[in-house]
Amino acid sequence: ETGVTQTPRHLVMGMTNKKSLKCEQHLGHNAMYWYKQSAKKPLELMFVYSLEERVENNSVPSRFSPECPNSSHLFLHLHTLQPEDSALYLCASSQATSGADEQFFGPGTRLTVL
Amino acid sequence: GQNIDQPTEMTATEGAIVQINCTYQTSGFNGLFWYQQHAGEAPTFLSYNVLDGLEEKGRFSSFLSRSKGYSYLLLKELQMKDSASYLCAVRDSNYQLIWGAGTKLIIKP
Repeated sequence: ETGVTQTPRHLVMGMTNKKSLKCEQHLGHNAMYWYKQSAKKPLELMFVYSLEERVENNSVPSRFSPECPNSSHLFLHLHTLQPEDSALYLCASSQATSGADEQFFGPGTRLTVL
Repeated sequence: GQNIDQPTEMTATEGAIVQINCTYQTSGFNGLFWYQQHAGEAPTFLSYNVLDGLEEKGRFSSFLSRSKGYSYLLLKELQMKDSASYLCAVRDSNYQLIWGAGTKLIIKP
């Protein structure tokens, strides 16, 4: 595997379900991100981890819970979601969180909440 | 508040040149990025500008004017595969990336 991978690619869940999204980066980067992408809206930054510590939490509802067990893996745990949470969830990584460091994105998980 | 403005959609002809504009109002500035995103795929990095002027990379060029809060992405010799969304993002004083909603570029034969 190369780059940033995400599983599953598609997920349909009911509002009472609990599920987790997984992201893995094979680039040796120190920072990882979760974004939400909704149609015709800017990317919304949800969480940032740098060296496995959370450094950013943009007022995300508690029904989204991130976990970063090591610098290569990032999870997003989902529970009691709402239909408006349906979106593309993108994971990204970068060498650092500042300067010219570009972010490398995974293919995303298309989430549908029924 | 912080804001990035881009046109929602643009149409251009294969072989032609197109310029996609981006204006921003952010708390501080620590660089501007352009990304390309094909439908159903991940965004991929195109360019980075932190100083005023033009950065050229093959068929793609990106320009920045910090005093005007303005950037553009110039695509030359357009190909059908350039049909995609183009995202502008600015790193603010807290080094957080602020994203525009993207410009959907449609290339016609």
